Amino acid sequence: NAGVTQTPKFRVLKTGQSMTLLCAQDMNHEYMYWYRQDPGMGLRLIHYSVGEGTTAKGEVPDGYNVSRLKKQNFLLGLESAAPSQTSVYFCATLPLYREFQETQYFGPGTRLLVL
Amino acid sequence: KQEVTQIPAALSVPEGENLVLNCSFTDSAIYNLQWFRQDPGKGLTSLLLIQSSQREQTSGRLNASLDKSSGRSTLYIAASQPGDSATYLCAVKTNSGYALNFGKGTSLLVTP
Repeated sequence: NAGVTQTPKFRVLKTGQSMTLLCAQDMNHEYMYWYRQDPGMGLRLIHYSVGEGTTAKGEVPDGYNVSRLKKQNFLLGLESAAPSQTSVYFCATLPLYREFQETQYFGPGTRLLVL
Repeated sequence: KQEVTQIPAALSVPEGENLVLNCSFTDSAIYNLQWFRQDPGKGLTSLLLIQSSQREQTSGRLNASLDKSSGRSTLYIAASQPGDSATYLCAVKTNSGYALNFGKGTSLLVTP
């Protein structure tokens, strides 16, 4: 039972390159989230999904796209990376019908450096 | 827009002291409030969750209180230990798909 996993753990990109971050969960949770964490800024919501096939924008969605084709996977894409996207990216999940009682379950994070 | 503020930004105390971390939020219409711990270079560990109808929660040496009407929460750590050194994050649950709105954290250092 792996919980929430993120791939890759660390990546270096050049400006303009593209990449996809993968979040996978084996807890059968309905809700999934992508946050970014920057020094002095706390965690900010990028995009989220309330179920398979659905996605919605969060606080800082520009420059990112997401897909939730399978319930267990939530992908975050950067089409043309910019230095401002250098950050630590966290994925989180939440079970349906427990939205108020349970905490979100976080993955270990992906460190992205854009040169 | 919900704003979450944590004071102080950093705190250094000698081992054994009791300490209080503060969190305030601007919109009192919250679903719940949560406290997390984050060690350097690591993910988030959930410490305590207080539902909007509750006033406090306790876990071991940790006690968190919630005053929804005044938009405040405190995390009390009793008899601090060097192993408590970490960043503590406060977050409130929003109505955006039940996502969390985080404060910037309090960095705690407990010295032996």
